Amino acid sequence: DSGVTQTPKHLITATGQRVTLRCSPRSGDLSVYWYQQSLDQGLQFLIQYYNGEERAKGNILERFSAQQFPDLHSELNLSSLELGDSALYFCASSETGVRTEAFFGQGTRLTVV
Amino acid sequence: DQQVKQNSPSLSVQEGRISILNCDYTNSMFDYFLWYKKYPAEGPTFLISISSIKDKNEDGRFTVFLNKSAKHLSLHIVPSQPGDSAVYFCAGGANNLFFGTGTRLTVIP
Repeated sequence: DSGVTQTPKHLITATGQRVTLRCSPRSGDLSVYWYQQSLDQGLQFLIQYYNGEERAKGNILERFSAQQFPDLHSELNLSSLELGDSALYFCASSETGVRTEAFFGQGTRLTVV
Repeated sequence: DQQVKQNSPSLSVQEGRISILNCDYTNSMFDYFLWYKKYPAEGPTFLISISSIKDKNEDGRFTVFLNKSAKHLSLHIVPSQPGDSAVYFCAGGANNLFFGTGTRLTVIP
C-alpha cells in the first residue's frame, strides 16, 4: 500500500458528461501529480501541484482541469468526455515534488461509452 | 513529444540471468531519474533512483547506470527472478517526472 488513495476505482460514463476523480496523497506529501495511461501506453504527465499551487503542466487538455485543496487532496475534473478519454488515471504524491520519488495510487479506470 | 523513451516494448530473460532494461531521454535539464515497476491493475511502484551527479546506484539485485553524455540510463537486475516479471517504466525530470512507455519484462523459470 503506497498510502495514496484514489476514488473511485472504476467509472463508466457517457460521452459529453463530466466526472471528478479524487486523490488523497500520502501523509506529509505536499506535491500531487496526475498521469493518464491509455491502452498499455506510457504514463502521460498531465499536471502537478505543490502545496495548493500549480507547479507544472503537461499534456493536459483544455477540457480537463485540476486543483489541490488546503487539506492537500486533489481532484481532476474531466468534462465534455469523448471516447478517447477512456484510460487509467493515476495520481501520485511526493514530499517536495522535486528530485524525489513519487508514490502512486491504484488508479481510476475511466470508461467513456 | 516523448522526452523519455524506452525503445524495447518487451524483454524475455531466463531465471538467474541478467535483465538489462534501457531508457533514453532528450531533455538535458533532467537531473533525476527513476525506475518503476508495474503489475497489472496496480499503480507503479518505485524501484530505484539516481541523481545526475552519480553514474551508478545499487540496491540489492537492482543497479541503475546513467550515461549523461549519451542521455541514456539502464536498469540491471541480477539475478532475474520470475517475480520480477512486470512492466518497467523509467522516468526522468527535474521539477516533475516524465515517463517512458514501459518495457514488459518476462522472466522464464
